[in-house]
Parts: sequence; structure tokens; C-alpha cells
Amino acid sequence: NAGVTQTPKFRILKIGQSMTLQCTQDMNHNYMYWYRQDPGMGLKLIYYSVGAGITDKGEVPNGYNVSRSTTEDFPLRLELAAPSQTSVYFCASSQDRVEGYTFGSGTRLTVV
Amino acid sequence: AQSVAQPEDQVNVAEGNPLTVKCTYSVSGNPYLFWYVQYPNRGLQFLLKYITGDNLVKGSYGFEAEFNKSQTSFHLKKPSALVSDSALYFCAVRADLSGYSTLTFGKGTMLLVSP
Repeated sequence: NAGVTQTPKFRILKIGQSMTLQCTQDMNHNYMYWYRQDPGMGLKLIYYSVGAGITDKGEVPNGYNVSRSTTEDFPLRLELAAPSQTSVYFCASSQDRVEGYTFGSGTRLTVV
Repeated sequence: AQSVAQPEDQVNVAEGNPLTVKCTYSVSGNPYLFWYVQYPNRGLQFLLKYITGDNLVKGSYGFEAEFNKSQTSFHLKKPSALVSDSALYFCAVRADLSGYSTLTFGKGTMLLVSP
């Protein structure tokens, strides 16, 4: 059982470049999330989805976009990378609002 | 708005001693409370949760947490620490609302267990 899979694990971007962080889950979870983790700051919610075709902004959505065309996939798009987007990004999923989240192993992104 | 405070950036404890990692929360309505652990270069792993019922919740790896509604706290505890418990611990909360609410995480507490 793979759980939540994130690719790539590491990436270096130049300022202004674009990229998509991939996230796939095989647990048939309705809810999916993107968080970023910065040292000493905990996790901040970027976007989340309560089902295919439904997404909503979290606490720090600026500079990011998401889509949810299938239950399994929830990609995060960075259009114009900025140094402030240097962070570790985690995707997570949950079956419902009571259960905890299952996290992926993260993507470490550096923007130079 | 909901929030979580983990007042200690780091907790140091000797192996074999009891440990406590503190967490307080603020939420409208009844809380759902969670603890997660993160080992270096890994994602977060679920430890335990409080939804309703007994105030003392038991979880993975011998950890437990006590829900205290009057003090709005959910401290993580373990009777005897192991060196392998050294990791970053996150407390999280979501509100029990009719609509949907996401988890809000604390800033994390680094637990260092010395041999």
C-alpha cells in the first residue's frame, strides 16, 4: 500500500521558472491537502480539496494553484517561482473530517 | 479561528525518564486533537488523536496524551523515553463544526533524548 506519493523529492528552480509538484494517493480518500513547512514555523496550509473538482484556499495560497480532476491526484503548481517559496512541501490526504491525515514524504524545493 | 501553541521549541530528557511535550489550543466548539511525529527528512506520522470519550488517549510507540478541556491542553506523554523517540513533534487541532475545517498545526517541539 503506497499511501501518499509525492514527486519529485528534491528540486532547484531559478527565479521565475514554473513547476508542478505531483501528489497521488491510492487510499480513495476524498480530502487532500498541500502544506508547506518552514523551519520554526510549523506547517501552513496552501490549498485543500474535499473531492474531485472542488478546491479551496488555505492560509498561504498566493503564488500557487491547484486542480483536482480525479480522486487520486492533487498537483500543486508554482507559476513564477520566488525565493520565498523555498520550503518543504507536504501533500496529505484523509478519509473524512474525523480521521487524521496521511502524509507524503515531501518535496524539498529551493528557488535561487 | 483556531490555533495551537507549543510553548517549548525543544525538550531535553534522559533515556528512561518520563517525557511531556506541551500543547494548548484555541477553537470554536469541540476540538479534534492530534499528535504527529516527524523524523529527519521524512513526512509526518500520526501518533494519536482525541475525538471524544476518555480524556487519556493511548497511541503508537507507547505515547499517550491527556485532554484537559478546562485548561484547553492536550499534552503528549510517555512514561519512559527512548533515544529513538528523538524527533520533531507536532500538535494539531480542528473544530467539530457542521461544515468542513482543516487541521491547524503548532510550530513543533524538538524532543531530544540523551543516552
